[in-house]
Amino acid sequence: EAGVVQSPRYKIIEKKQPVAFWCNPISGHNTLYWYLQNLGQGPELLIRYENEEAVDDSQLPKDRFSAERLKGVDSTLKIQPAELGDSAVYLCASSLTTNEQFFGPGTRLTVL
Amino acid sequence: GENVEQHPSTLSVQEGDSAVIKCTYSDSASNYFPWYKQELGKRPQLIIDIRSNVGEKKDQRIAVTLNKTAKHFSLHITETQPEDSAVYFCAASLSGGGADGLTFGKGTHLIIQP
Repeated sequence: EAGVVQSPRYKIIEKKQPVAFWCNPISGHNTLYWYLQNLGQGPELLIRYENEEAVDDSQLPKDRFSAERLKGVDSTLKIQPAELGDSAVYLCASSLTTNEQFFGPGTRLTVL
Repeated sequence: GENVEQHPSTLSVQEGDSAVIKCTYSDSASNYFPWYKQELGKRPQLIIDIRSNVGEKKDQRIAVTLNKTAKHFSLHITETQPEDSAVYFCAASLSGGGADGLTFGKGTHLIIQP
């Protein structure tokens, strides 16, 4: 069984530029999560999807961040415009409703 | 919202000794507590989890204990090996099923000295 797939693995952009991250969850997993992990810190939840519905986006900075999960499978997280403080690893995870969360390898974003 | 505190931030033990990492949580409604291991540059991987209806769970050299009254839980690793070196994160979830987003501690860097 393939794990959670994310791309790109690394992204370097200049501040004020837009950036997008893509996530393909484990087949059949209805719940998808985006987390942000700063260096030396634990992951912090940004948004959670149940199928195609965003059921918890309270921690998503909506002025510059947006996300979508069309058809309840793949998901895209976008930042526009990026700021220096957005440099971090963006992790995607998926789960069946009541089971463990499986994490992807993450996208390491560097904003210059 | 939930707040998870984790201690220590760094733990160095001799190979073969035991390691204990402790976490406290703030929301008494939390009832699912997983532990993740993250090696440098890798994804977090679940190593063990516990739900609030049990007080202890063991899997080979790894065990987790939960004290609901005191709102704290601990990870115990016995007979530590070099491959145990990594950052360990505790987490808590409100739903009990793990389907809710997890609130993580800040991590413990475990160093196994040869």
